[in-house]
Amino acid sequence: SQQGEEDPQALSIQEGENATMNCSYKTSINNLQWYRQNSGRGLVHLILIRSNEREKHSGRLRVTLDTSKKSSSLLITASRAADTASYFCATLETSGSRLTFGEGTQLTVNP
Amino acid sequence: EPEVTQTPSHQVTQMGQEVILRCVPISNHLYFYWYRQILGQKVEFLVSFYNNEISEKSEIFDDQFSVERPDGSNFTLKIRSTKLEDSAMYFCASSADLAGVPFFGPGTRLTVL
Repeated sequence: SQQGEEDPQALSIQEGENATMNCSYKTSINNLQWYRQNSGRGLVHLILIRSNEREKHSGRLRVTLDTSKKSSSLLITASRAADTASYFCATLETSGSRLTFGEGTQLTVNP
Repeated sequence: EPEVTQTPSHQVTQMGQEVILRCVPISNHLYFYWYRQILGQKVEFLVSFYNNEISEKSEIFDDQFSVERPDGSNFTLKIRSTKLEDSAMYFCASSADLAGVPFFGPGTRLTVL
């Protein structure tokens, strides 16, 4: 089974608009994390939400988690051209040490 | 701010050769990981390491792969006989605890010719 599927696969918006990306998963999780990756570069951790949390904020980022639907969303408000990157969700299962990454959403913010 | 470092940033090797990818995790972290990302694909877990032994490994991590913490600071991934399909970006990560945030290094791009 595939864990951590994001949608949309690609999203193109104008600067100043909000961007919403969704992630679904299949197993029980300890936490869910969102990462950002600029083309060909490393992974930058954005935010972690635990399974007993429903919403978390960090600056312009807002993450929600619905464990009953096994889904999460990442909202970036007032987007900037510098937000252009790939965004991945990753889940840590309740048993185990591995992060399982999704396919990612490619976000393009046009100036 | 402490960070995970990896060397080299880019390694080119011939098929069948052995490669060692090196990582220096954050100094007070106890959990260490290797992940890989084939170009254009998602990031895949390879192995986790704690208390000087492998705690979990994926199906990808076969007998061609091994990890070692040879001293108090380095964490290495060895691929004994590289294949073309091993070409990927390899990321090392470390975390202070099992459910905490893993900090990723910048990656080593491995190209197998």
